[in-house]
Amino acid sequence: DTEVTQTPKHLVMGMTNKKSLKCEQHMGHRAMYWYKQKAKKPPELMFVYSYEKLSINESVPSRFSPECPNSSLLNLHLHALQPEDSALYLCASSQVPPGAGETYFGPGTRLLVL
Amino acid sequence: AQSVTQPDIHITVSEGASLELRCNYSYGATPYLFWYVQSPGQGLQLLLKYFSGDTLVQGIKGFEAEFKRSQSSFNLRKPSVHWSDAAEYFCAVGLYNQGGKLIFGQGTELSVKP
Repeated sequence: DTEVTQTPKHLVMGMTNKKSLKCEQHMGHRAMYWYKQKAKKPPELMFVYSYEKLSINESVPSRFSPECPNSSLLNLHLHALQPEDSALYLCASSQVPPGAGETYFGPGTRLLVL
Repeated sequence: AQSVTQPDIHITVSEGASLELRCNYSYGATPYLFWYVQSPGQGLQLLLKYFSGDTLVQGIKGFEAEFKRSQSSFNLRKPSVHWSDAAEYFCAVGLYNQGGKLIFGQGTELSVKP
């Protein structure tokens, strides 16, 4: 099973709301990622978790707060977002490098910030 | 700096015709290379990967890609395109010294004529 699941599929929120995106995988992968994809653009890395610890933060604003409660789950907490944060948020997982392995993506959460 | 270039923003082919999507990369070490496909509003599906060994790699859905170190290229091919292949295609380099980060090209949108 190479499935990464994400909930919700769609999310509309105001700039004062707090919401969370959820991601789950059961492939035994110990590296998990959040990517952001704007329309007609490639995905861009936001965060990397390795063995449940944050290993890379690509200078993401603090209104995005990642969390990795266990080896199968990854959350992205959202607070006080801006309209320009509207995008497709993709979760992914892989073996921990340098154990080379494929990176598998979930279907994404399409976020609209009003 | 690492980068991936997909020279063709949009390609149109007739159903049943052959396809080649171009990808060039810039990376100092031996690259880990991937091709992903994304249908509208969906996540990314891994088509194939190159880590080492045989430079001609086979993937899902009848796709193959050839790694050419001398040309820094990793072009994707399919001998006969089906209407269901219409999608966005992304080439990516895996940076396994940077937590498994993927650097994507800008993507090539494939349209298929009946």
